[in-house]
Amino acid sequence: EAQVTQNPRYLITVTGKKLTVTCSQNMNHEYMSWYRQDPGLGLRQIYYSMNVEVTDKGDVPEGYKVSRKEKRNFPLILESPSPNQTSLYFCASSWGAGPNEQFFGPGTRLTVL
Amino acid sequence: GQNIDQPTEMTATEGAIVQINCTYQTSGFNGLFWYQQHAGEAPTFLSYNVLDGLEEKGRFSSFLSRSKGYSYLLLKELQMKDSASYLCAVRDSTGGFKTIFGAGTRLFVKA
Repeated sequence: EAQVTQNPRYLITVTGKKLTVTCSQNMNHEYMSWYRQDPGLGLRQIYYSMNVEVTDKGDVPEGYKVSRKEKRNFPLILESPSPNQTSLYFCASSWGAGPNEQFFGPGTRLTVL
Repeated sequence: GQNIDQPTEMTATEGAIVQINCTYQTSGFNGLFWYQQHAGEAPTFLSYNVLDGLEEKGRFSSFLSRSKGYSYLLLKELQMKDSASYLCAVRDSTGGFKTIFGAGTRLFVKA
């Protein structure tokens, strides 16, 4: 089944404790992206990747890191999480950056205390 | 800069037609998308427009006017299951390929 998977689905952590949210897709997509969704603000793009070893900042990259060592995986790293990073995070992938629909993962609900 | 505006909430009646508008400002327009998102779930793709005009997909249609920075999503024969948020998104090719989403429109379908 074609899908985007994220882990963990739920995470409660404390300020400053490094964490990684994994994202994997099995559709051989080139374009992958991370978003956060907050009430009233909608989805905001954190980082995106056009292909392996090619990443670029979205609109809200501060406090986040990403890597794209393999085509299928695009982990999101929070080196020192802070309470303002409490949010719902979605990973998405598509064939390319052009007229291609994005397939979204199920979401990761992160709470930073 | 980049900006996308859409109404916060709309209410419509089962069986009716509803139009959700979206206006956008972006310097490197490279396509407009509509997604549906039910509460607690991930967004799912509805439609895509890159050229002016109407794209029809069953009960859903999407229209684009690039000169006006305007799009709408038309939902016909509304069903209760259409109660969801509808997200307008623009692909911007300025300095890369960002995707900018509007805050979404919550649609309530009543019997």
